[in-house]
Amino acid sequence: DGGITQSPKYLFRKEGQNVTLSCEQNLNHDAMYWYRQDPGQGLRLIYYSQIVNDFQKGDIAEGYSVSREKKESFPLTVTSAQKNPTAFYLCASSISLLAVGADTQYFGPGTRLTVL
Amino acid sequence: QKEVEQDPGPLSVPEGAIVSLNCTYSNSAFQYFMWYRQYSRKGPELLMYTYSSGNKEDGRFTAQVDKSSKYISLFIRDSQPSDSATYLCAMIKGGKLIFGQGTELSVKP
Repeated sequence: DGGITQSPKYLFRKEGQNVTLSCEQNLNHDAMYWYRQDPGQGLRLIYYSQIVNDFQKGDIAEGYSVSREKKESFPLTVTSAQKNPTAFYLCASSISLLAVGADTQYFGPGTRLTVL
Repeated sequence: QKEVEQDPGPLSVPEGAIVSLNCTYSNSAFQYFMWYRQYSRKGPELLMYTYSSGNKEDGRFTAQVDKSSKYISLFIRDSQPSDSATYLCAMIKGGKLIFGQGTELSVKP
């Protein structure tokens, strides 16, 4: 089955610790994205990557870092510099950055991060 | 002012009702308009997409775009309890999706 997997589904961390969220896709998509979702705020773009070894900051990149060493993988690290990290994190991918219509972004199931 | 505004709800309707979900936008450069459906604790899934002004129908769902008013709507006919979810409008700008806040819909049996 083709799709996007995110792990783990639920993650708990102590304040001040860095944590890495996994995102893997087997859709052969070039573009990948990370969003954060908070109640009443919709989805906000953290980072995106157009191709391997390239990534760009989104609207709320502060306190986050990413890498794109493989086409299939786009892990997100939530660092201790992120002031309010508790949220639902969604990974997405698309054939290309400019994909539209039916090829617009496909989303993974999400990871709910709670910082205690 | 946000580029995309969406009534946050929550919206509660009885089964069989017609549901209207709405978004307004401020940037006339937006060209592609999407509606995503998100069930609780799941990732969003693309429900409908459209490019031009007018109506696009898919089963019980109709997406409507009015570019002159910068207003888009999603209508759900004969709503079912399985339609209970959060509905997100989204628009493409510079290769990135800009989302509304999402409207939480509950359809009561």
